[in-house]
Amino acid sequence: DSGVTQTPKHLITATGQRVTLRCSPRSGDLSVYWYQQSLDQGLQFLIHYYNGEERAKGNILERFSAQQFPDLHSELNLSSLELGDSALYFCASSVLASRHNEQFFGPGTRLTVL
Amino acid sequence: DAKTTQPNSMESNEEEPVHLPCNHSTISGTDYIHWYRQLPSQGPEYVIHGLTSNVNNRMASLAIAEDRKSSTLILHRATLRDAAVYYCILNKNNTNAGKSTFGDGTTLTVKP
Repeated sequence: DSGVTQTPKHLITATGQRVTLRCSPRSGDLSVYWYQQSLDQGLQFLIHYYNGEERAKGNILERFSAQQFPDLHSELNLSSLELGDSALYFCASSVLASRHNEQFFGPGTRLTVL
Repeated sequence: DAKTTQPNSMESNEEEPVHLPCNHSTISGTDYIHWYRQLPSQGPEYVIHGLTSNVNNRMASLAIAEDRKSSTLILHRATLRDAAVYYCILNKNNTNAGKSTFGDGTTLTVKP
């Protein structure tokens, strides 16, 4: 158990819909990272927040957005969902802002878009 | 961004050492070499990281070439629980480090 929690574990929805994925980092960690893992794309970095501020963006679509709240939990919002958005979404946390620090990954949310 | 190249798959026998190679010929001076592994149905798990010198921890050893263009993750005695996908990635020591992609990794099979 990494100490990072993600909810829900599974999510099934339809194209065009909007969903919110939630992540609670390990106690004391200020950084939260979001990744997408699909069969054809591997594990892709989406976005990084540190203490409530966006620090880096990766391959995140404009239909996706994220935020980190004062209590440090983070939410990833996916809108106008397409079939290709079906994937595992992982959240990771670390103590510091630098991504060269050890990241602790949550168990993931499996999103299925029908 | 610098990329890494790993073999798609490797096999090992239980209790034997495993050497997992990674090439990163375009590595820059600010890139740290990280290794993560992903067991089936789980999120990735940190294994080890280093910059220039070889590193050891309870899980593995990391041997970094003198020119830093390649590295090797060493599992000293493979167990069945070490069967996983191993990812070698480069992370910069700053917060605006651009894209960080794990790539396809090496699928390690451990035979009893």
